Amino acid sequence: AQSVTQLDSQVPVFEEAPVELRCNYSSSVSVYLFWYVQYPNQGLQLLLKYLSGSTLVKSINGFEAEFNKSQTSFHLRKPSVHISDTAEYFCAVSPLAGGYNKLIFGAGTRLAVHP
Amino acid sequence: DVKVTQSSRYLVKRTGEKVFLECVQDMDHENMFWYRQDPGLGLRLIYFSYDVKMKEKGDIPEGYSVSREKKERFSLILESASTNQTSMYLCASKRDYEQYFGPGTRLTVT
Repeated sequence: AQSVTQLDSQVPVFEEAPVELRCNYSSSVSVYLFWYVQYPNQGLQLLLKYLSGSTLVKSINGFEAEFNKSQTSFHLRKPSVHISDTAEYFCAVSPLAGGYNKLIFGAGTRLAVHP
Repeated sequence: DVKVTQSSRYLVKRTGEKVFLECVQDMDHENMFWYRQDPGLGLRLIYFSYDVKMKEKGDIPEGYSVSREKKERFSLILESASTNQTSMYLCASKRDYEQYFGPGTRLTVT
């Protein structure tokens, strides 16, 4: 079985400050890793994913995440946040074995960017 | 662009009613999913379907059933709604390793 722990339920930050949203996972098999974002009153959108290759993955809007296998972590970072980054962020894993690429989600981290 | 639509954004139903939540995707995806989202719990998988008329239970299937008669449509059914089923319900369809989500239906059972 897999589980995902997002260590912070809420992260308040000022505009243009750096931010890190932490994600740890537990799994007995190899996994793919994802970050999804949910803006207010919307569904989830894929922000970035790690499937293989370089352990540092980047999104088009300045976020990046690094897969650390030894620490079973996939923390999300942005060097300078904007008001528009205010949203809820979900870390998720999908086991390579077991079929159908089911996603197991963390509880979410609510990022609040203040002016 | 992939589009996943859900029949209602907000729904209010009474305890004991039978409730249908509809989801439609326009990209011919084989796999579709129903989740419920609750504060502090993230998203939990209710049911998924990997083909027409094929379904598998997720982590929390009790009190729910599903129907997939056509590839593009995946319905979630609450046979007898209860107050503990008040939640946000999200549908998704999948291509490769990415799931595409609908906007969600916020269901309130009174």
